[in-house]
Amino acid sequence: NAGVMQNPRHLVRRRGQEARLRCSPVKGHSHVYWYRQLPEEGLKFMVYLQKENIIDESGMPKERFSAEFPKEGPSILRIQQVVRGDSAAYFCASSPRQDEQYFGPGTRLTVT
Amino acid sequence: QKEVEQDPGPLSVPEGAIVSLNCTYSNSAFQYFMWYRQYSRKGPELLMYTYSSGNKEDGRFTAQVDKSSKYISLFIRDSQPSDSATYLCAMSALTGGYQKVTFGTGTKLQVIP
Repeated sequence: NAGVMQNPRHLVRRRGQEARLRCSPVKGHSHVYWYRQLPEEGLKFMVYLQKENIIDESGMPKERFSAEFPKEGPSILRIQQVVRGDSAAYFCASSPRQDEQYFGPGTRLTVT
Repeated sequence: QKEVEQDPGPLSVPEGAIVSLNCTYSNSAFQYFMWYRQYSRKGPELLMYTYSSGNKEDGRFTAQVDKSSKYISLFIRDSQPSDSATYLCAMSALTGGYQKVTFGTGTKLQVIP
């Protein structure tokens, strides 16, 4: 059984570039969540998506950040014009319902 | 006041000790309660999932929920060095039409051989 897959695992971008983070949920899970985690800090909710729909994006900055979960293919978290403050670990989780969430290994974004 | 409070630790115990990890919460609407374990530079791993007040046991782990006191605990018996990790509590409530999960900030545990 494949768990949640995220790629790339590590991503280095220069300031001003775009970062694209991909998440493939557990097969059969239709709920996807994105979180951000800074060192020594907890998980900060960003966005919750179901297939083709954004359900809750209250934790995601309105500028430069966007997320999608298309009918086919992985969920994508996109950060445009990255700044140093975007450096963090980004985790994706999927769920068969809306409560117990299964996390991927994360993408560590470094902005230089 | 945060909705979910968790002591960040670090908590250091000798191998074999019983570990008690705790969270308090303020939102009485929380219905589902979970514990996650996160090793350094890895994703959180779901350990325990409970719904009602009371205890749930799984091997060396026992999750306890006291809804009247708004308090949940995770007990680890016969702790091992491999249990050294950050433990996050999580709980969900129906918010905006869906079960929204709120995480504690995590307690760092170190089990010393």
